[in-house]
Amino acid sequence: GAVVSQHPSRVICKSGTSVKIECRSLDFQATTMFWYRQFPKKSLMLMATSNEGSKATYEQGVEKDKFLINHASLTLSTLTVTSAHPEDSSFYICSARPGEGFYEQYFGPGTRLTVT
Amino acid sequence: GQNIDQPTEMTATEGAIVQINCTYQTSGFNGLFWYQQHAGEAPTFLSYNVLDGLEEKGRFSSFLSRSKGYSYLLLKELQMKDSASYLCAGMDSNYQLIWGAGTKLIIKP
Repeated sequence: GAVVSQHPSRVICKSGTSVKIECRSLDFQATTMFWYRQFPKKSLMLMATSNEGSKATYEQGVEKDKFLINHASLTLSTLTVTSAHPEDSSFYICSARPGEGFYEQYFGPGTRLTVT
Repeated sequence: GQNIDQPTEMTATEGAIVQINCTYQTSGFNGLFWYQQHAGEAPTFLSYNVLDGLEEKGRFSSFLSRSKGYSYLLLKELQMKDSASYLCAGMDSNYQLIWGAGTKLIIKP
């Protein structure tokens, strides 16, 4: 149990375009989902926390108009990178937490974004 | 401020034992996590400690001392597949995970 999927696993896009990444909890309802970014050989950097049905809480320094997060249901959250630039190229990972009393986060397999 | 410290890299021999240390400073404390991450993959959960002491799970054990703000991950009977980064993360009073930079473990034959 506790499987989280992410789609796509890899995406290449041109500068100026937008890319949407989906994160789904397959066998549980995720009241909270997290979006992370990871640079090579670096640890996870939390971008934002989203709770189902409410606006995401963004970490300091993360542009909410550039990284649009939608958590429309208890099993789906999406991250849209708008007007992508080469510096947005990174490994994006989502995680999900089942709910109250559950502290563990279950991670998706990640999405490798390359902006050309 | 909040901070997690762990060594950047460690090397060990196949079949041996290795201990990866982690010290933490968080605003409030709701537990300490260890995750394993292979290159190019997402982290996978290894352990969660919220009380002092040692938790054993097969070849992996995790220890916590809340008074010292200290944890370690102990890996026994090392296998080549254990080569990975090991991430220590503390959970603060808001249930947010504060991540360490990870320890890259290199296993040599």
